[in-house]
Amino acid sequence: DGGITQSPKYLFRKEGQNVTLSCEQNLNHDAMYWYRQDPGQGLRLIYYSQIVNDFQKGDIAEGYSVSREKKESFPLTVTSAQKNPTAFYLCASSRGQVNTEAFFGQGTRLTVV
Amino acid sequence: GDSVTQMEGPVTLSEEAFLTINCTYTATGYPSLFWYVQYPGEGLQLLLKATKADDKGSNKGFEATYRKETTSFHLEKGSVQVSDSAVYFCALSDRDNAGKSTFGDGTTLTVKP
Repeated sequence: DGGITQSPKYLFRKEGQNVTLSCEQNLNHDAMYWYRQDPGQGLRLIYYSQIVNDFQKGDIAEGYSVSREKKESFPLTVTSAQKNPTAFYLCASSRGQVNTEAFFGQGTRLTVV
Repeated sequence: GDSVTQMEGPVTLSEEAFLTINCTYTATGYPSLFWYVQYPGEGLQLLLKATKADDKGSNKGFEATYRKETTSFHLEKGSVQVSDSAVYFCALSDRDNAGKSTFGDGTTLTVKP
């Protein structure tokens, strides 16, 4: 089955540590996105990539980094510079065209302990 | 820039009641419009979409009509079920914004038996 897979589902991080969230898709989509969702709030765009080896900052990129070395993969690193990283992180992909929908993974819940 | 404004929640209805969730948008181009649904602890799933003015998207008894004159895309369902309890997001994708999606803040719907 084609889809988008995020791992792990739950992640705990100690303060001062970097952690990397995985996102893989087998939909052959060009565009991939990372969103952050806080309780009771909407989605905020962290980074997006429309093609391999290229990515752009979204609205809240500070304290995060990404890479896009393969079409299928778009990992997100939450660095120690992110002051409030506890949140639900959603990865999505799309064909990158205006009239096409985004496909979402199941999300990773990150908690700082 | 683009923006989406949704009716604030939470919304609580009895089973078989009529549902309306309002959504209005601002966009510089000619966007496509979407409704997504999110069940607890999961990612978003596409519920329906419309790609041009006067189009009606429909799925699982839900409907929404793209109204360019009022810049609206209200979600409706004639008879809700307990299983419809979820968070609903209105979104747009705009050619002038490189096809990225802009999301509303989400509306939480609870349906009671």
